Amino acid sequence: NAGVTQTPKFQVLKTGQSMTLQCAQDMNHNSMYWYRQDPGMGLRLIYYSASEGTTDKGEVPNGYNVSRLNKREFSLRLESAAPSQTSVYFCASSPVGQGNGYTFGSGTRLTVV
Amino acid sequence: AQKITQTQPGMFVQEKEAVTLDCTYDTSDPSYGLFWYKQPSSGEMIFLIYQGSYDQQNATEGRYSLNFQKARKSANLVISASQLGDSAMYFCAMREGFSGYSTLTFGKGTMLLVSP
Repeated sequence: NAGVTQTPKFQVLKTGQSMTLQCAQDMNHNSMYWYRQDPGMGLRLIYYSASEGTTDKGEVPNGYNVSRLNKREFSLRLESAAPSQTSVYFCASSPVGQGNGYTFGSGTRLTVV
Repeated sequence: AQKITQTQPGMFVQEKEAVTLDCTYDTSDPSYGLFWYKQPSSGEMIFLIYQGSYDQQNATEGRYSLNFQKARKSANLVISASQLGDSAMYFCAMREGFSGYSTLTFGKGTMLLVSP
Protein backbone atom coordinates (compact mmCIF):
# COMPACT_ATOMS: atom_id res chain seq x y z
CA ASN A 1 0.00 0.00 0.00
CA ALA A 2 1.26 3.47 -0.91
CA GLY A 3 2.00 5.71 2.00
CA VAL A 4 4.51 6.72 4.64
CA THR A 5 6.36 4.02 6.55
CA GLN A 6 8.02 4.74 9.88
CA THR A 7 10.27 2.46 11.85
CA PRO A 8 10.38 1.51 14.63
CA LYS A 9 6.87 1.75 16.07
CA PHE A 10 8.04 1.63 19.67
CA GLN A 11 11.40 2.30 21.31
CA VAL A 12 12.73 2.65 24.81
CA LEU A 13 16.07 4.41 25.24
CA LYS A 14 18.24 5.19 28.19
CA THR A 15 19.28 8.78 28.75
CA GLY A 16 22.32 9.55 26.63
CA GLN A 17 21.74 6.82 24.05
CA SER A 18 21.39 7.65 20.39
CA MET A 19 19.00 6.39 17.77
CA THR A 20 17.68 7.10 14.31
CA LEU A 21 14.04 7.09 13.34
CA GLN A 22 13.51 6.03 9.77
CA CYS A 23 10.84 7.31 7.40
CA ALA A 24 10.15 6.41 3.78
CA GLN A 25 7.40 7.42 1.39
CA ASP A 26 6.49 5.91 -1.96
CA MET A 27 4.18 8.61 -3.28
CA ASN A 28 6.88 10.62 -5.06
CA HIS A 29 6.24 13.57 -2.73
CA ASN A 30 8.76 16.38 -2.73
CA SER A 31 8.38 17.48 0.88
CA MET A 32 8.84 15.54 4.10
CA TYR A 33 8.44 16.47 7.74
CA TRP A 34 9.08 15.33 11.29
CA TYR A 35 6.69 16.28 14.07
CA ARG A 36 6.46 15.38 17.71
CA GLN A 37 3.20 15.05 19.62
CA ASP A 38 2.98 15.62 23.33
CA PRO A 39 -0.20 15.62 25.46
CA GLY A 40 -1.95 18.98 25.33
CA MET A 41 0.58 20.40 22.85
CA GLY A 42 -0.72 19.29 19.49
CA LEU A 43 1.87 18.47 16.83
CA ARG A 44 5.02 20.54 16.73
CA LEU A 45 7.38 20.64 13.78
CA ILE A 46 10.93 19.47 14.44
CA TYR A 47 12.53 19.59 10.98
CA TYR A 48 11.37 19.51 7.43
CA SER A 49 12.72 19.00 3.95
CA ALA A 50 10.92 21.03 1.30
CA SER A 51 12.67 19.12 -1.45
CA GLU A 52 15.47 16.63 -1.91
CA GLY A 53 18.76 18.16 -0.83
CA THR A 54 17.31 20.72 1.57
CA THR A 55 16.46 20.62 5.26
CA ASP A 56 15.23 23.32 7.61
CA LYS A 57 14.54 23.72 11.29
CA GLY A 58 11.04 23.82 12.60
CA GLU A 59 9.64 24.98 15.92
CA VAL A 60 11.47 22.51 18.19
CA PRO A 61 14.75 21.38 16.54
CA ASN A 62 17.06 21.29 19.57
CA GLY A 63 18.47 17.85 20.26
CA TYR A 64 17.67 16.49 16.81
CA ASN A 65 19.32 16.15 13.44
CA VAL A 66 17.87 15.04 10.13
CA SER A 67 19.04 13.59 6.84
CA ARG A 68 17.19 13.64 3.56
CA LEU A 69 18.85 10.57 2.12
CA ASN A 70 17.02 10.70 -1.21
CA LYS A 71 13.56 11.70 -2.39
CA ARG A 72 11.94 8.78 -0.57
CA GLU A 73 13.73 8.78 2.77
CA PHE A 74 13.98 11.29 5.62
CA SER A 75 15.53 10.20 8.92
CA LEU A 76 15.52 11.82 12.35
CA ARG A 77 18.45 11.30 14.70
CA LEU A 78 18.63 11.79 18.45
CA GLU A 79 22.33 12.01 19.29
CA SER A 80 21.98 11.95 23.09
CA ALA A 81 18.47 11.18 24.17
CA ALA A 82 16.92 13.04 27.09
CA PRO A 83 13.71 12.32 29.04
CA SER A 84 12.24 15.51 27.54
CA GLN A 85 12.34 13.76 24.17
CA THR A 86 9.83 11.17 25.32
CA SER A 87 7.07 11.67 22.78
CA VAL A 88 5.24 10.28 19.78
CA TYR A 89 7.05 11.11 16.57
CA PHE A 90 5.30 11.43 13.24
CA CYS A 91 6.80 11.57 9.81
CA ALA A 92 4.74 13.05 7.00
CA SER A 93 5.06 13.86 3.34
CA SER A 94 3.26 16.08 0.85
CA PRO A 95 3.44 17.13 -2.76
CA VAL A 96 4.15 20.77 -3.54
CA GLY A 97 1.09 22.99 -3.36
CA GLN A 98 -0.69 24.90 -0.65
CA GLY A 99 -3.86 22.88 -0.94
CA ASN A 100 -2.15 19.58 -0.36
CA GLY A 101 -2.40 18.10 3.07
CA TYR A 102 0.09 15.76 4.57
CA THR A 103 0.12 11.99 4.53
CA PHE A 104 1.31 10.78 7.91
CA GLY A 105 3.11 7.69 9.00
CA SER A 106 1.72 5.64 11.85
CA GLY A 107 4.05 7.18 14.42
CA THR A 108 6.89 6.09 16.70
CA ARG A 109 6.29 6.02 20.43
CA LEU A 110 9.63 6.82 22.08
CA THR A 111 10.29 6.63 25.80
CA VAL A 112 13.55 7.89 27.26
CA VAL A 113 14.26 6.67 30.79
CA ALA B 1 0.61 34.56 19.58
CA GLN B 2 -0.72 31.17 18.65
CA LYS B 3 -1.41 30.74 14.97
CA ILE B 4 -4.13 28.14 15.54
CA THR B 5 -6.40 28.18 18.58
CA GLN B 6 -8.77 25.41 19.52
CA THR B 7 -10.56 26.53 22.67
CA GLN B 8 -12.48 23.33 23.41
CA PRO B 9 -10.27 20.71 25.08
CA GLY B 10 -13.17 18.27 25.05
CA MET B 11 -16.63 17.97 23.56
CA PHE B 12 -19.47 15.54 24.16
CA VAL B 13 -22.22 14.75 21.71
CA GLN B 14 -24.91 12.13 21.41
CA GLU B 15 -25.00 9.81 18.49
CA LYS B 16 -26.88 11.20 15.45
CA GLU B 17 -26.55 14.79 16.64
CA ALA B 18 -24.46 17.44 14.90
CA VAL B 19 -21.41 18.93 16.59
CA THR B 20 -19.21 21.95 15.85
CA LEU B 21 -15.53 22.02 16.74
CA ASP B 22 -14.08 25.52 16.93
CA CYS B 23 -10.90 26.77 15.32
CA THR B 24 -9.59 30.29 15.02
CA TYR B 25 -6.41 31.25 13.22
CA ASP B 26 -4.03 34.15 13.01
CA THR B 27 -2.18 35.14 9.86
CA SER B 28 -1.37 38.27 7.91
CA ASP B 29 -0.79 36.33 4.71
CA PRO B 30 -3.71 36.65 2.28
CA SER B 31 -2.99 33.19 0.90
CA TYR B 32 -3.41 30.26 3.26
CA GLY B 33 -5.04 26.89 3.62
CA LEU B 34 -6.90 25.39 6.55
CA PHE B 35 -7.05 21.69 7.30
CA TRP B 36 -8.75 19.39 9.75
CA TYR B 37 -7.29 16.05 10.82
CA LYS B 38 -8.77 13.27 12.92
CA GLN B 39 -6.70 11.15 15.28
CA PRO B 40 -8.55 8.11 16.66
CA SER B 41 -7.30 6.22 19.68
CA SER B 42 -5.22 4.02 17.39
CA GLY B 43 -3.01 7.06 16.77
CA GLU B 44 -2.97 7.58 13.03
CA MET B 45 -3.59 11.03 11.55
CA ILE B 46 -6.42 11.11 9.04
CA PHE B 47 -7.00 14.08 6.73
CA LEU B 48 -10.63 15.20 6.74
CA ILE B 49 -11.15 18.48 4.90
CA TYR B 50 -9.40 21.47 3.35
CA GLN B 51 -10.41 25.11 2.83
CA GLY B 52 -8.37 27.60 0.84
CA SER B 53 -8.43 31.28 1.73
CA TYR B 54 -9.70 32.22 -1.72
CA ASP B 55 -12.39 29.56 -1.87
CA GLN B 56 -15.80 31.18 -2.17
CA GLN B 57 -17.77 28.26 -0.81
CA ASN B 58 -17.43 26.32 2.40
CA ALA B 59 -15.74 22.97 1.91
CA THR B 60 -17.73 19.78 2.41
CA GLU B 61 -16.67 16.14 2.50
CA GLY B 62 -19.50 13.75 3.26
CA ARG B 63 -20.62 14.37 6.85
CA TYR B 64 -17.87 16.94 7.38
CA SER B 65 -18.23 20.59 6.49
CA LEU B 66 -16.08 23.56 7.27
CA ASN B 67 -17.78 26.76 8.41
CA PHE B 68 -15.31 29.29 7.05
CA GLN B 69 -15.74 32.85 8.32
CA LYS B 70 -12.83 34.77 6.88
CA ALA B 71 -13.48 38.10 8.57
CA ARG B 72 -13.62 36.39 11.95
CA LYS B 73 -10.65 34.18 11.08
CA SER B 74 -12.51 31.08 12.07
CA ALA B 75 -12.69 27.68 10.42
CA ASN B 76 -15.01 25.52 12.45
CA LEU B 77 -15.53 21.84 11.64
CA VAL B 78 -19.13 20.67 11.58
CA ILE B 79 -19.83 16.95 11.85
CA SER B 80 -23.39 16.07 11.01
CA ALA B 81 -25.14 12.97 12.32
CA SER B 82 -22.36 11.93 14.69
CA GLN B 83 -21.38 8.28 14.87
CA LEU B 84 -19.62 6.34 17.61
CA GLY B 85 -16.61 6.05 15.32
CA ASP B 86 -16.26 9.83 15.32
CA SER B 87 -14.88 9.67 18.86
CA ALA B 88 -11.33 10.93 18.40
CA MET B 89 -8.99 13.88 18.75
CA TYR B 90 -9.48 16.54 16.09
CA PHE B 91 -6.78 18.94 14.99
CA CYS B 92 -7.12 22.16 13.04
CA ALA B 93 -4.06 23.22 11.04
CA MET B 94 -2.97 26.03 8.74
CA ARG B 95 -0.52 26.36 5.88
CA GLU B 96 0.46 29.92 4.99
CA GLY B 97 1.78 31.38 1.78
CA PHE B 98 1.33 30.77 -1.89
CA SER B 99 4.54 28.92 -2.67
CA GLY B 100 3.33 25.56 -1.52
CA TYR B 101 6.51 24.89 0.41
CA SER B 102 5.21 26.18 3.72
CA THR B 103 4.58 23.88 6.65
CA LEU B 104 1.46 22.97 8.59
CA THR B 105 0.97 24.56 12.00
CA PHE B 106 -1.38 22.61 14.26
CA GLY B 107 -3.68 23.59 17.08
CA LYS B 108 -3.67 21.69 20.35
CA GLY B 109 -6.70 19.67 19.44
CA THR B 110 -10.21 18.91 20.67
CA MET B 111 -11.20 15.52 22.03
CA LEU B 112 -14.65 14.51 20.83
CA LEU B 113 -16.60 11.79 22.59
CA VAL B 114 -19.76 10.45 20.99
CA SER B 115 -22.15 8.64 23.31
CA PRO B 116 -24.90 6.17 22.32
